Amino acid sequence: QSALTQPPSASGSPGQSVTISCTGTSNDLGSYNYVSWYQQRPGKAPKLMIYEVTKRPSGVPDRFSGSKSGNTASLTVSGLQAEDEADYYCSSYAGSGDFCVFGGGTKLTVL
Amino acid sequence: QVQLVESGGGVVQPGRSLRLSCGDSGFTFSRYAMHWVRQAPGRGLEWVAFISYDGSDKWYADSVKGRFTISRDNSKNTLYLQMNSLRIEDTAFYYCTRETNAFDIWGQGTMVTVSS
Repeated sequence: QSALTQPPSASGSPGQSVTISCTGTSNDLGSYNYVSWYQQRPGKAPKLMIYEVTKRPSGVPDRFSGSKSGNTASLTVSGLQAEDEADYYCSSYAGSGDFCVFGGGTKLTVL
Repeated sequence: QVQLVESGGGVVQPGRSLRLSCGDSGFTFSRYAMHWVRQAPGRGLEWVAFISYDGSDKWYADSVKGRFTISRDNSKNTLYLQMNSLRIEDTAFYYCTRETNAFDIWGQGTMVTVSS
């Protein structure tokens, strides 16, 4: 069982927006602003999409945005495109001990 | 080009050992903390171990504590993961990744299969 909870699947039509949630606890996600999101296409390594809750690395489209409220973080993909179809994982710094925890992943399908 | 390349994976029997390596290209390796993250077939990501930029600080997931050892040789720009007493549940793709408050650079992964 993953430390962070994500819905197993999400979907949307091209051009629509979809939001993926990631729920932790006050010991991890709720206490730190080191929440990041990763995109993983089949057979490929994960790719950083969002870091420190809301920041986008260079090269990541601004269609991807992140937010956090309390113990829940969210990734929103606006203007869905076929290339966005992938697995998405959230992660959070968890302090001493675990250091980092991941969510179980959400499979995003573009209909 | 910034990249990480893992090696050392393979098929090993339960109880045996294996050492993974991760080399860099395109950045100053000695300035960055590094991690190992693994992914069992068809499963999600699991953080395994952390090492500070100079090797002075190391953390491990409970699932590998006492069996795995992370280390680095900054003179060779290489990260290692020594895996002892391997179990069937250690079967996974192992990724090395660079940390900058997030895992911003990932290798392509190396597969470790523990099977009798």
